[in-house]
Amino acid sequence: DTEVTQTPKHLVMGMTNKKSLKCEQHMGHRAMYWYKQKAKKPPELMFVYSYEKLSINESVPSRFSPECPNSSLLNLHLHALQPEDSALYLCASSKPYSDEQYFGPGTRLTVT
Amino acid sequence: GESVGLHLPTLSVQEGDNSIINCAYSNSASDYFIWYKQESGKGPQFIIDIRSNMDKRQGQRVTVLLNKTVKHLSLQIAATQPGDSAVYFCAENKAGNQFYFGTGTSLTVIP
Repeated sequence: DTEVTQTPKHLVMGMTNKKSLKCEQHMGHRAMYWYKQKAKKPPELMFVYSYEKLSINESVPSRFSPECPNSSLLNLHLHALQPEDSALYLCASSKPYSDEQYFGPGTRLTVT
Repeated sequence: GESVGLHLPTLSVQEGDNSIINCAYSNSASDYFIWYKQESGKGPQFIIDIRSNMDKRQGQRVTVLLNKTVKHLSLQIAATQPGDSAVYFCAENKAGNQFYFGTGTSLTVIP
């Protein structure tokens, strides 16, 4: 199984809502990532978890809160988002340290 | 973070021709590079990678060249097919698990 799954595929939320994005992989990868991708732009690294510990936070606003409950799951909790946070949120996984990343299909988020 | 840039934002090629997509990186300490293909509505898909101790790596119909002297990376696609139409990104691994993507090149294959 070389698949990274993400749910939901699409999400529309208001600026006062709280929602969560989910990501799952069963490849035994111990590094997991969240990226944000705006239209016609490259993915931007947000967070990296290595062995279930947050190892990189690219100065992401606190309205985005990542969580890694176990080695297969990665969540991104969203609260009080702004319309400019509307984007495709991509999850990826890899073996730790400089190795091929597998990406999920992404969650298309719209903040109204 | 450090920028990884591409020379051309769009590229059109005839079906059957070879395609070359270029990428410039700025961090001489980067030791690992990946090329991704992203089709509309999908996540990036791994194509090929190369480590800094190599200058060339070949896959099926794809070749990556790394020139560390001028900090340049290229992806060559042989006998380009309509299914190759997509946006191509290079990504640079600065350290550990930090990957940074270039701006992307949109490849269009003309039948």
